[in-house]
Amino acid sequence: QQQVKQSPQSLIVQKGGISIINCAYENTAFDYFPWYQQFPGKGPALLIAIRPDVSEKKEGRFTISFNKSAKQFSLHIMDSQPGDSATYFCAASRGSNYKLTFGKGTLLTVNP
Amino acid sequence: DGGITQSPKYLFRKEGQNVTLSCEQNLNHDAMYWYRQDPGQGLRLIYYSQIVNDFQKGDIAEGYSVSREKKESFPLTVTSAQKNPTAFYLCASRDTGTTGKLFFGSGTQLSVL
Repeated sequence: QQQVKQSPQSLIVQKGGISIINCAYENTAFDYFPWYQQFPGKGPALLIAIRPDVSEKKEGRFTISFNKSAKQFSLHIMDSQPGDSATYFCAASRGSNYKLTFGKGTLLTVNP
Repeated sequence: DGGITQSPKYLFRKEGQNVTLSCEQNLNHDAMYWYRQDPGQGLRLIYYSQIVNDFQKGDIAEGYSVSREKKESFPLTVTSAQKNPTAFYLCASRDTGTTGKLFFGSGTQLSVL
């Protein structure tokens, strides 16, 4: 049973456009929702994270929108740049041990 | 230069052989994690450790073993019982006193000969 479902699998956006990646979760006990960015041959790096007591969090060009009732959260990348081309993973965890359950990833390509 | 070092970058395993993947961190983090990444499958948790001399199984621990004898080291052994070991293995650490941010190493690609 996949606890965190991520879509789309791949996404192509033009430079300057908005990239949107969506995730849905099943476990209502999850209380931490991060997004990680991974470049080929490297480990993932934390991009931005949110907790369910807020509906939106923005850091630079990256925004998480969180809908607790729908059990969904999304990543918005404004003014997408070719350097943003990478694989993005959403994740969720419960409690203080931060055992993250990851989505399957979205390969983002930003064309110049 | 603080960080997580995984070695080797590439590793080949023969049938029936155990292999050990190294993970060392100099971030003074208490918690450490091992994830397995398969193409198009995301990351799945193998083992995690919140403190020295203690570790817990993750979602896919069968065929793997770990030890945590030192704070900075969390080696992963892929045993011969793991029938499909080909994957990209990622080690991570976390400062338990602050946020949930995981710091990942650059990974080890394990392949079967």
